[in-house]
Parts: sequence; C-alpha cells; structure tokens
Amino acid sequence: NAGVTQTPKFRVLKTGQSMTLLCAQDMNHEYMYWYRQDPGMGLRLIHYSVGEGTTAKGEVPDGYNVSRLKKQNFLLGLESAAPSQTSVYFCASSFPLAQPYNEQFFGPGTRLTVL
Amino acid sequence: RKEVEQDPGPFNVPEGATVAFNCTYSNSASQSFFWYRQDCRKEPKLLMSVYSSGNEDGRFTAQLNRASQYISLLIRDSKLSDSATYLCVVNAAGAGSYQLTFGKGTKLSVIP
Repeated sequence: NAGVTQTPKFRVLKTGQSMTLLCAQDMNHEYMYWYRQDPGMGLRLIHYSVGEGTTAKGEVPDGYNVSRLKKQNFLLGLESAAPSQTSVYFCASSFPLAQPYNEQFFGPGTRLTVL
Repeated sequence: RKEVEQDPGPFNVPEGATVAFNCTYSNSASQSFFWYRQDCRKEPKLLMSVYSSGNEDGRFTAQLNRASQYISLLIRDSKLSDSATYLCVVNAAGAGSYQLTFGKGTKLSVIP
C-alpha cells in the first residue's frame, strides 16, 4: 500500500517548456487535489477533482490544467512554464470531505524550478 | 482578515516544556478543523482533528472556540521529535466543502 505517490520528485524547466506531474493513489479515494507551497504563503489549492472525469478550479488555477481520466490518477500540466511557477507541488487525496474529519493524505511532493 | 491566521514563530522551547499554539479563522461557517504537522522538506501529515468538545491524544490537546473563532494546540512534555511546523487547517463549508484552507504554519524547535 504505497498511499499517494508523485512523479517526478524534482524537475528543472526553462521558461516556456511544458511538463506533466503525475499523482497516483491506491486508497480508492474519490477526491484528489493539487496544491502548491511557497515560502511564506502556505499551501494553496490549484485544482481538485471529486471523481473520475471531473475537475474544478481551486484558489490559484491560472497557468495549470488537470485531468482525472482514472480514479487513481490525477495529472497536473504546465503548458508554458513561468518562473512564478517555481514551487513545491503536493498532491493529496481523501474520501469525500463532506464527511466530517476526513483526512487528506499527501504525496511526498515535486520540487519544480523554472529558470 | 486572512482566512486562517497563525503566529509563524519560531517557538524555541526546551525539552519537557509545554507549548501552545493558537490559530484564528475568519469564516464562521467552517465546520471541520485540523492540525497537520509538516517536517522540513516533507509532506504535511494529519496530527489530529479538532472536535467541538476538545480532544486529547497523548501529549497533544486540541481545543475549539467557535464563538471566538479560534483553535488551539497544546503540546506537553515536548520532545526533540516534536520539532516541525504545525499547520492549522479549516474546512470552510460555506465556500464549498471540498476545500481546506491551510494556515501558513507555526514553526516549533525543541532544544535539548
């Protein structure tokens, strides 16, 4: 039982390049999330998904796209990377959050640097 | 007013000390409250949920004051392994129950 895994762990991009971050979970969770964490800013929600085939915008969605083609996978895409997207990206998953006190489980993070 | 506000610290305390963190939240419709712990360069992990009546888990006690819209975390008999950043997390049901709002965290260093 691996929990939530993320690939890659580290990546350096040049401005304008594209890439996809992959998140996978084996806990049969319905909900999945992408966050970014910047120094002094805390965790901010980029996009989330409440089920296979559905996605929605979070607090800071601009410059990112997502897809949830399979229940266990949630992909985050950067079409044209910018230095402002240098950050640590965390994926998380949970059972429906409407149930009180349902925990979000986080992956180990992807450290992305855009030059 | 920020949605979830915490004192960033750092709190530097000796081993065995008792330390308390407070967190305030702005959305009175919030229904779920948590404390997460994040070690340096690691992912956040749930420390404990915060129940309306308050709850305790070993050396950790969490309290919720809905009237004043604040949450507290008390750590007794601090250990070196408690050194981490503690994140206050709130689910603002009025904003859509899927979203958690994270505080920026309070950094704790326990000193030998």
